[in-house]
Amino acid sequence: QVQLQESGPGLVKPSETLSLTCTVSGDSVSTYYWTWIRQPPGKTLEWIGYIDETGTTYYSPSLKSRVAMSLDMSKSQFSLKLTYMTAVDTAVYYCAKETIESGGVTRGFDSWGQGTLVTVSS
Amino acid sequence: QSALTQPASVSGSPGQSITISCTGTYWDVGSYNLVSWYQQYAGKAPKLMIYEVNKRPSGVSTRFSGSKSGNTASLTISGLQAEDEADYYCCSYVGTTTFRVFGGGTKLTVL
Repeated sequence: QVQLQESGPGLVKPSETLSLTCTVSGDSVSTYYWTWIRQPPGKTLEWIGYIDETGTTYYSPSLKSRVAMSLDMSKSQFSLKLTYMTAVDTAVYYCAKETIESGGVTRGFDSWGQGTLVTVSS
Repeated sequence: QSALTQPASVSGSPGQSITISCTGTYWDVGSYNLVSWYQQYAGKAPKLMIYEVNKRPSGVSTRFSGSKSGNTASLTISGLQAEDEADYYCCSYVGTTTFRVFGGGTKLTVL
């Protein structure tokens, strides 16, 4: 059973860059889409993007200009960087695993980290 | 504003069945059988309940089922139990531009 754990700062100042890491255990970081999803307090989930085992990334169009994801297979970790943070970026950030069948068919986000609350405030 | 529309809340009594709708467009729900549903308890991470419209992951109760008609997907919970009280979110594949989009979420209350 794969387990995911987010790590990073709980408080970020406006205009700074958020850096989060997700550590994967119990499975290889290959063959899946490693995803970041966030949820502002009291609001719905927002898909941020994913990185696959080849390092290929896909980002939400609304965040694309500020997002970068990377993968370190040797450490079984993948990371998120989000630049120019503002108050609207305050949210619980989740890392998740999306299983993909042959042909690119998604089987959904079947494993999630516990989430980490990131607050943007000076 | 979420791209997929869900009712803000639904309720039902123990033992009853309820259905939560998830309405999109031809470009997302209508074009792909790639809708998933998630259950989320307060303060917890979401849990996958349904994928590919109507498939259940191992371990998910058979009381949960999914379907789709046109641009609307639905999650049905039969034999409601107190433990089903949670928030539920749908998610759809949206092609190679937007990729994935969630619904606004539905709060299920078991009376």
